[in-house]
Amino acid sequence: AQKITQTQPGMFVQEKEAVTLDCTYDTSDQSYGLFWYKQPSSGEMIFLIYQGSYDEQNATEGRYSLNFQKARKSANLVISASQLGDSAMYFCAMSLRGSGGSNYKLTFGKGTLLTVNP
Amino acid sequence: DGGITQSPKYLFRKEGQNVTLSCEQNLNHDAMYWYRQDPGQGLRLIYYSQIVNDFQKGDIAEGYSVSREKKESFPLTVTSAQKNPTAFYLCASRHRRYGYTFGSGTRLTVV
Repeated sequence: AQKITQTQPGMFVQEKEAVTLDCTYDTSDQSYGLFWYKQPSSGEMIFLIYQGSYDEQNATEGRYSLNFQKARKSANLVISASQLGDSAMYFCAMSLRGSGGSNYKLTFGKGTLLTVNP
Repeated sequence: DGGITQSPKYLFRKEGQNVTLSCEQNLNHDAMYWYRQDPGQGLRLIYYSQIVNDFQKGDIAEGYSVSREKKESFPLTVTSAQKNPTAFYLCASRHRRYGYTFGSGTRLTVV
């Protein structure tokens, strides 16, 4: 069964510094997608970045980059130049194709609470 | 603007009552999902639907029911059989190419 592991319940970073949030995944499927979402205290889930299992280059979106190491089954999120507004919960998630070929399910890790200090 | 609307934002339920959470999308997405989130936890899948009039159980479907009579709507009923319904509920939809879109959530409290 698929599983996402986020080993850092909480992380602290100084404003303007970079931070890496860890994510490892477990699946026997060859085709999958990896997502990172940000959840502020308001509760909404904000999409940050996506990496497909066949993508050869690491995904980047502005200050966010995904360090994808397929052999190690890791998909760490790197946030450069942290801002106070980056303080939130961050979730790693994996999408797999289920039985029948058209059912996709998104499985989440337990999240990392990032606090950016001024 | 296209998006997902969840209502109400806050919901209070007495023990033994059924309540229905609304989820409406105008994105023309085929697939829709319901997730439950407990404090300090990740999201767990309750039910999902790939097309109208079809839906499948997720990992924690017991005590919940859904319907998908229209493409735009995927309401979730929390029944009295759900012993611990207090949680934050998120609805999502999926586009084949552009990924998942989430609603803003409903916070359900049993009083």
